Amino acid sequence: AQSVTQLDSHVSVSEGTPVLLRCNYSSSYSPSLFWYVQHPNKGLQLLLKYTSAATLVKGINGFEAEFKKSETSFHLTKPSAHMSDAAEYFCVVSDLRGSQGNLIFGKGTKLSVKP
Amino acid sequence: SQTIHQWPATLVQPVGSPLSLECTVEGTSNPNLYWYRQAAGRGLQLLFYSVGIGQISSEVPQNLSASRPQDRQFILSSKKLLLSDSGFYLCAWSVTPASTDTQYFGPGTRLTVL
Repeated sequence: AQSVTQLDSHVSVSEGTPVLLRCNYSSSYSPSLFWYVQHPNKGLQLLLKYTSAATLVKGINGFEAEFKKSETSFHLTKPSAHMSDAAEYFCVVSDLRGSQGNLIFGKGTKLSVKP
Repeated sequence: SQTIHQWPATLVQPVGSPLSLECTVEGTSNPNLYWYRQAAGRGLQLLFYSVGIGQISSEVPQNLSASRPQDRQFILSSKKLLLSDSGFYLCAWSVTPASTDTQYFGPGTRLTVL
């Protein structure tokens, strides 16, 4: 069965410093992996998506993530945090049961950015 | 371009009252539609998905039901709300039902049951 674990429930960084949000997955197949961002009381916005092409995936707003099969990880990074990056981030793995597009969400990592 | 709408944005309802949340998608035909619930401190839980009009699959047995009366309309309902139904409800759509396909989310409805 597929699962996803976000290793930190809360990460705090200073503006201008790097961001690292960690995600590990479990899958019997080659998974599709996603990162979504959610600002308070808003819907989820897709940041980036991995579907077995290049292992380093670039997303919007300067974020990128690297798929590492040997480590079963898909960590999200950004070289320099901006105040507007403060939000909750969800790592998501595709559920390969049947042919339906079911997604399995991590519990989220809340990113705080200090001035 | 495609857009997804949800309403109402917020809702406060007493226990035992009925519920109807609506989701509509514009700019695409025959989308796959999804209802998720996000409870405090937890990830998103898939409640229902639909691959076509009148075709609803339920992921979790619960007090809720879903209907798809039109191609781009997805409704979440309850006859009698429970306290545990409180949460943030998100509708999403995708082009195909494939697990590799991106799902696009609406702005959500915050439901508080008192």
